[in-house]
Amino acid sequence: GENVEQHPSTLSVQEGDSAVIKCTYSDSASNYFPWYKQELGKRPQLIIDIRSNVGEKKDQRIAVTLNKTAKHFSLHITETQPEDSAVYFCAASKGRNYGQNFVFGPGTRLSVLP
Amino acid sequence: DARVTQTPRHKVTEMGQEVTMRCQPILGHNTVFWYRQTMMQGLELLAYFRNRAPLDDSGMPKDRFSAEMPDATLATLKIQPSEPRDSAVYFCASGLDGNTEAFFGQGTRLTVV
Repeated sequence: GENVEQHPSTLSVQEGDSAVIKCTYSDSASNYFPWYKQELGKRPQLIIDIRSNVGEKKDQRIAVTLNKTAKHFSLHITETQPEDSAVYFCAASKGRNYGQNFVFGPGTRLSVLP
Repeated sequence: DARVTQTPRHKVTEMGQEVTMRCQPILGHNTVFWYRQTMMQGLELLAYFRNRAPLDDSGMPKDRFSAEMPDATLATLKIQPSEPRDSAVYFCASGLDGNTEAFFGQGTRLTVV
């Protein structure tokens, strides 16, 4: 089945600095890679996603890059703000009739220090 | 504003009791996921349904857990008998074809004493 690893498990940055979180996946059939943000006590919510036919996607201060050959993808947050503090999860998905679908990484706890 | 609805939001039960958690997916979504979240384990996939058919429940302890979709508007996760180690937040999520954004419910916080 799919196995998603995520690093680092915790990350502290100064406000205004950049943060990078990296994930690797094991199943080459995976073709959809979302990133979720979970604030304390709340549900995970999608912040950005990328499909396997695209190498990079950007949305304001957030970007995701994908290297299909190496089977890894990364989340980049620039100009971090205190409200970016949360746990971030990556996931890998194959869709349709595959089992072990939409498997999440273990999460990264990001702290943005003022 | 379409949302995934989970009930109950909180549940405290004694060890050995049966627990049933319910999820109403977003209307029109054909995939449903059940996840368990503990402090140590992140979001652990328990079960995955597509068009009400179970595609994967390999992450679920079969001896005590069961998941069903009686109809397209209801998914259930049952634990019988419950144990203290089952204490966690259980999330349901729904989406289209399992390959697009999965929308999460607010979760059920289960405490087994």
